[in-house]
Amino acid sequence: QKEVEQNSGPLSVPEGAIASLNCTYSDRVSQSFFWYRQYSGKSPELIMSIYSNGDKEDGRFTAQLNKASQYVSLLIRDSQPSDSATYLCAVNVKNNFNKFYFGSGTKLNVKP
Amino acid sequence: KAGVTQTPRYLIKTRGQQVTLSCSPISGHRSVSWYQQTPGQGLQFLFEYFSETQRNKGNFPGRFSGRQFSNSRSEMNVSTLELGDSALYLCASSRSSGGGQETQYFGPGTRLLVL
Repeated sequence: QKEVEQNSGPLSVPEGAIASLNCTYSDRVSQSFFWYRQYSGKSPELIMSIYSNGDKEDGRFTAQLNKASQYVSLLIRDSQPSDSATYLCAVNVKNNFNKFYFGSGTKLNVKP
Repeated sequence: KAGVTQTPRYLIKTRGQQVTLSCSPISGHRSVSWYQQTPGQGLQFLFEYFSETQRNKGNFPGRFSGRQFSNSRSEMNVSTLELGDSALYLCASSRSSGGGQETQYFGPGTRLLVL
């Protein structure tokens, strides 16, 4: 079983809609959780980090964490065509120094 | 504050050659991690360096090696290149101050093509 699992997509949403991206992880001592956005041919760019159960909002982005269910999600409100990218979920495991586990990414297409 | 920088940005090599990639972390960041990204395999962890010591290592053959200098800059080396080594090589840095809530920031990557 992979440490971090994501649906590869593509996830297609119309412009202005809410895009919901999901991620599950297997290691119960995971401590920190991240969402990165990666445009084709570019490097991953950090969007959000979340460390505690609940929601964390930053502009149009909301990260949700449920440690009991080992689940983290990213909601993008008012999706724009410029949001079309691959979204990577990453987990940092507390007892393994700085080892980050990445999901394979979900490709999001926002249609005008 | 300047971001993570990587050089060179593009490389073309032939099979059997070796290559060295360089990464300069964000100022104040002491941890440098290297990843290989290919369309089929996604992001795969190569290794992580902290204070000139390798702390973590992924499942790559010994042809892949790295090091970190006292100023936290890091290099990775791939010897005896194979066609399958063609990939985007990403470097990421983090402060690693021991607080537990580490965040990694990626450089622009080095795109390696092996012919």
